[in-house]
Amino acid sequence: GESVGLHLPTLSVQEGDNSIINCAYSNSASDYFIWYKQESGKGPQFIIDIRSNMDKRQGQRVTVLLNKTVKHLSLQIAATQPGDSAVYFCAETFTGANSKLTFGKGITLSVRP
Amino acid sequence: DTAVSQTPKYLVTQMGNDKSIKCEQNLGHDTMYWYKQDSKKFLKIMFSYNNKELIINETVPNRFSPKSPDKAHLNLHINSLELGDSAVYFCASSRRTGGNTIYFGEGSWLTVV
Repeated sequence: GESVGLHLPTLSVQEGDNSIINCAYSNSASDYFIWYKQESGKGPQFIIDIRSNMDKRQGQRVTVLLNKTVKHLSLQIAATQPGDSAVYFCAETFTGANSKLTFGKGITLSVRP
Repeated sequence: DTAVSQTPKYLVTQMGNDKSIKCEQNLGHDTMYWYKQDSKKFLKIMFSYNNKELIINETVPNRFSPKSPDKAHLNLHINSLELGDSAVYFCASSRRTGGNTIYFGEGSWLTVV
């Protein structure tokens, strides 16, 4: 079946460093991708999205890169802060009626002071 | 104002009981969802409603019965609760189906003892 997965279950970074969280997807029909951040005791929070007609999209301190050739998605966080500590999920879907948003397994980002 | 709100946040109940979780969104979205997050943080869709009509039912046991009285509300009723139903249940909404950002509530922690 189709799946969305993350390469690493945990990531530990030093405060101030850049973080890169990677995600592989396998549904070639997916054309819309979202990164979510989930803090402890809270719901998933939208961070940034990208559609398949783009390779890169930037937000505030975050950048998402999409490589459709190898079905790879990454989230880059610049100058990682303690408040960035959370579980991060990539999710994929396609622009069709009644399509589902499928989540990856999640990766924990831990920021060392 | 909370965009997607669900109650209760915490629920502890005995096996065999029936319980409900309520959800409301004030975003004016047409589509609402219920997701289940297990102990390994894996998020999986359970149901999706568009304008009060069921459009996705992910082979969830029929002990789970969603009800949408209007497009701003999607409640989840669970009959004959089992230990395996213990999880975090997230309500969510999106502007419409397919290829749209989904916004999540804060979650309802259900513990069945």
